[in-house]
Amino acid sequence: TQLLEQSPQFLSIQEGENLTVYCNSSSVFSSLQWYRQEPGEGPVLLVTVVTGGEVKKLKRLTFQFGDARKDSSLHITAAQPGDTGLYLCAGVRSGYSTLTFGKGTMLLVSP
Amino acid sequence: DAGITQSPRYKITETGRQVTLMCHQTWSHSYMFWYRQDLGHGLRLIYYSAAADITDKGEVPDGYVVSRSKTENFPLTLESATRSQTSVYFCATRAGTGETDTQYFGPGTRLTVL
Repeated sequence: TQLLEQSPQFLSIQEGENLTVYCNSSSVFSSLQWYRQEPGEGPVLLVTVVTGGEVKKLKRLTFQFGDARKDSSLHITAAQPGDTGLYLCAGVRSGYSTLTFGKGTMLLVSP
Repeated sequence: DAGITQSPRYKITETGRQVTLMCHQTWSHSYMFWYRQDLGHGLRLIYYSAAADITDKGEVPDGYVVSRSKTENFPLTLESATRSQTSVYFCATRAGTGETDTQYFGPGTRLTVL
């Protein structure tokens, strides 16, 4: 059973469209992180959310941590081809010291 | 400033051979991690280290051995490689001791076991 379920697994959209990626769990997390990974490279941290209900914005990207700290979402406004990549959510459960990763959402933005 | 380097970047080996993947950091981050990334499974933690001479198992440690005699190096050894260990391996460091601290990933090693 996957601790963190991401949806959708794959998303192909046109430049300028909006999209939302979801990261869900039945477990409570003390923090949630979102990473982006480009082909042939390692993941790069985008944001960390730690408080239930927290919303963080990074330019056109908006991240939200669920009130119960069991889920998170990533919303991209007016997607651009440069947003193409694999988006990974990762969380730390209370009492643990390591990250658990979701399987990722592959986003392809076409011009 | 190289940050994290992994070597080799690509490796092809045969079943039963011993293989060592190297990871080196130019920072002095306490925590280091080894992950494998496979289609359908995402990133899974193999082993991690909180400091030199301190290592601990992750989610999928079987068939792997690690050591950390120096803070900057964290080699991963496959004692007797199997086809199921074909994967992309990522080394990572964590800037601080807190769970919310940033993890930095290396460029990865693509390992193929024939």
